[in-house]
Amino acid sequence: DQQVKQNSPSLSVQEGRISILNCDYTNSMFDYFLWYKKYPAEGPTFLISISSIKDKNEDGRFTVFLNKSAKHLSLHIVPSQPGDSAVYFCAASAERGSNYKLTFGKGTLLTVNP
Amino acid sequence: KAGVTQTPRYLIKTRGQQVTLSCSPISGHRSVSWYQQTPGQGLQFLFEYFSETQRNKGNFPGRFSGRQFSNSRSEMNVSTLELGDSALYLCASSLGGTNTIYFGEGSWLTVV
Repeated sequence: DQQVKQNSPSLSVQEGRISILNCDYTNSMFDYFLWYKKYPAEGPTFLISISSIKDKNEDGRFTVFLNKSAKHLSLHIVPSQPGDSAVYFCAASAERGSNYKLTFGKGTLLTVNP
Repeated sequence: KAGVTQTPRYLIKTRGQQVTLSCSPISGHRSVSWYQQTPGQGLQFLFEYFSETQRNKGNFPGRFSGRQFSNSRSEMNVSTLELGDSALYLCASSLGGTNTIYFGEGSWLTVV
């Protein structure tokens, strides 16, 4: 039973355009959500997070939107750059006050073309 | 500031053997968690330690175990290896609470 789903295995966008990566979850106990980026042969790198009490969080080119009623979140990257090409993982935590136990989606491979 | 360090980076084992993987967290971090990444299942939580105590365990068989030392370094052990244990094993550390968890580069285990 996959509690965090990233239904698009891959996404390709042009440099300078917007990249939108989507994530759906089924567990209503999740209260904290994170996005990680992973390059080949490296560990995941934290990008941005959002608490369930918010519906938007921005950090530079990255914005995460949370729609609790739809159990859906998305990561927007504007403008996209070739260096953003990586696998992006959506993760969620149901451990109130702690995010050490994360449930991950299977990832979306983003390719940004020059 | 050094990141999360995992050793060894790559190893090959035979079915039935056991393996021990090591993780040194970022200095000052007391929480260490372990994840398994496979192509089919993605990233899955194994267990987490804080101040030498296992606080939570994922849905893995008892062949998977771990421990944490007083200096926060952690080891995980897999006994009686199976082909399906071939995976990237990732260690992550954090200060605890809702602080960001930082991942190491992982240990690639191949079971033949």
